[in-house]
Amino acid sequence: DIQMTQSPSSLSASVGDRVTITCRASQGIRNDLGWYQQKPGKAPKRLIYAASSLQSGVPSRFSGSGSGTEFTLTISSLQPEDFATYYCLQHDSYPITFGQGTRLEIK
Amino acid sequence: EVKLLESGGGMVQPGGSLRLSCAASGFTFSSFAMTWVRQAPGKGLAWVSTLSGSGGSTYYADSVKGRFTISRDNSKNTVYLQMSSLRAEDTAVYYCARDVNGGYWGQGTLVTVSS
Repeated sequence: DIQMTQSPSSLSASVGDRVTITCRASQGIRNDLGWYQQKPGKAPKRLIYAASSLQSGVPSRFSGSGSGTEFTLTISSLQPEDFATYYCLQHDSYPITFGQGTRLEIK
Repeated sequence: EVKLLESGGGMVQPGGSLRLSCAASGFTFSSFAMTWVRQAPGKGLAWVSTLSGSGGSTYYADSVKGRFTISRDNSKNTVYLQMSSLRAEDTAVYYCARDVNGGYWGQGTLVTVSS
């Protein structure tokens, strides 16, 4: 099974900050990775697919990069609505696996 | 507009069974794989199962293999998750999602396994 190690597990930041979240795969997954945002009591929402493609309707302050085993999600300038939990997901091979999540909190 | 609507959740005793449904609209249902993902209370997301668009290929997490069955009725634009031999650790919100990489998600349905 491919393990997805996501870091940090939690993060405190301020509005306007630049934030980076990382996911490392235990083996190469090409660019078969997505990033998801989840707010309390709500379903996850995909932000990024194919490692770096922005989902339609998602603000351009979100960006993804990486290939192989190391991936990053960057929020260029945090907005109040961005405080949530973020997950990566690999779908290169079964079983599909998620990172353990990053809780982004207001400083 | 893509819509996914789960139903069928509820409370069930350990060892019991439950069938979840996910009704889809807004896209050509048979062209897409469908996936179930769950989230235990206060925990992260966990993949459960994926079914190909034709229904010919199925994939399961080890934790549910042999107990859960995913199926679909392309004439009804609906995917199902038949859950049996339920355990307390199956308690979670169950989401259906379009495709293997979850471009669209339903709102979720809560399954509680408790005596």
